[in-house]
Amino acid sequence: QQQVKQSPQSLIVQKGGISIINCAYENTAFDYFPWYQQFPGKGPALLIAIRPDVSEKKEGRFTISFNKSAKQFSLHIMDSQPGDSATYFCAASRPGSARQLTFGSGTQLTVLP
Amino acid sequence: DSGVTQTPKHLITATGQRVTLRCSPRSGDLSVYWYQQSLDQGLQFLIHYYNGEERAKGNILERFSAQQFPDLHSELNLSSLELGDSALYFCASSVDPGWPGELFFGEGSRLTVL
Repeated sequence: QQQVKQSPQSLIVQKGGISIINCAYENTAFDYFPWYQQFPGKGPALLIAIRPDVSEKKEGRFTISFNKSAKQFSLHIMDSQPGDSATYFCAASRPGSARQLTFGSGTQLTVLP
Repeated sequence: DSGVTQTPKHLITATGQRVTLRCSPRSGDLSVYWYQQSLDQGLQFLIHYYNGEERAKGNILERFSAQQFPDLHSELNLSSLELGDSALYFCASSVDPGWPGELFFGEGSRLTVL
């Protein structure tokens, strides 16, 4: 059972535009929601993360919006650049001894020059 | 560079064979996670070890096993390989699994089963 649903599967944006990727989760025990960025041939790398006690977190051009009641969170990339072209994964984890991440299915972002 | 080292980077083998993937976590990280990345199933959690002990199991097949050694490196053993086992296998490490924080991923081992 997929516990984190991510959309869209792919996204094409013009340089300077806004990229928006959405995720929804089912397990209300999740309390940590990171976004990972993966370039071809590389492993995923943490981009930005949020806890459910805040509704928004911004780091540079990247913003996470979090809606606890709707069990949804999204990544906004402002002023998208060709260098942002990558696969983005949302994820979630819950308290426990392992804190393994449950990942969404990924969004392949292409930013056109 | 995440500091997590995985070997081999690429591996081609035949159905029915057995392979071992190796992971060295970041210096000081006691926690090691294994993930499988395939085109149709994304990143799937397989298993987690902390300081040599298994802490959690995910969607890991019985044909797969793992261990973490006293020097903290980990190995993922895949046996009786099937075509569907072809995937990227990632290892990740973290400082403390008890608190939410960053997982540092290696560059993966790409397994191709022919």
